[in-house]
Amino acid sequence: DIQMTQSPSAMSASVGDRVTITCRASQDIINYLAWFQQKPGKVPKRLLFAASNLQSGVPSRFSGSGSGTEFTLTISGLQPEDFATYYCLQYNGHPRTFGPGTKVEIK
Amino acid sequence: EAQLVESGGGLVQSGGSLRLSCGASGFTFRGYWMSWVRQAPGKGLEWVANIKEDGSEKYYVDSVKGRFTISRDNANNSLYLQMRSLRAEDTAVYFCARDQTFVRGVIISFPMDVWGQGTTVTVSS
Repeated sequence: DIQMTQSPSAMSASVGDRVTITCRASQDIINYLAWFQQKPGKVPKRLLFAASNLQSGVPSRFSGSGSGTEFTLTISGLQPEDFATYYCLQYNGHPRTFGPGTKVEIK
Repeated sequence: EAQLVESGGGLVQSGGSLRLSCGASGFTFRGYWMSWVRQAPGKGLEWVANIKEDGSEKYYVDSVKGRFTISRDNANNSLYLQMRSLRAEDTAVYFCARDQTFVRGVIISFPMDVWGQGTTVTVSS
């Protein structure tokens, strides 16, 4: 099974900061990776799919890159509504696997 | 607008059974793989199982194999998760989510773009 790791597990940042979250897969997943945002008590929301494709309606300050085993989610100019937990998901076959999450908190 | 609504959660004793349902509307349900995802209290997301459009393929996370069964009724736009031999560690919010779809072998819709609001399962020991 493919294992996913994320770094950092948590971080503090200020409004306006550029934030980068890394997701690593234990084997090549090509670009079969999605990113999700989840706020406390809310349903996860997909931000990107196929590593770098922005979900309709998601602000352009969110971007994704990577292929193979290393991927990044970048938030360019953190906004107050972006404080949340972010998860990656690999969907290169089965079982699907989420990363453990990265909590972005207010500094 | 695509919507998913889960039901069937509740409090059950360890070793007991529960059946979750997920009703779909606003999209062609029979054209999509469907998934169940869970989230234990204070923990991250865990993919549980998914099922192919016609029900011919089913996949599970190791921790539920042999205990959980995913199924679907395309005539009634419904997804199910039969859970047996429940354990305390199965306590979680269970979400159904729309998975992928293909046209002529090419993926055109990617996993987990639509989620239900979740249903809570509590297993008491």
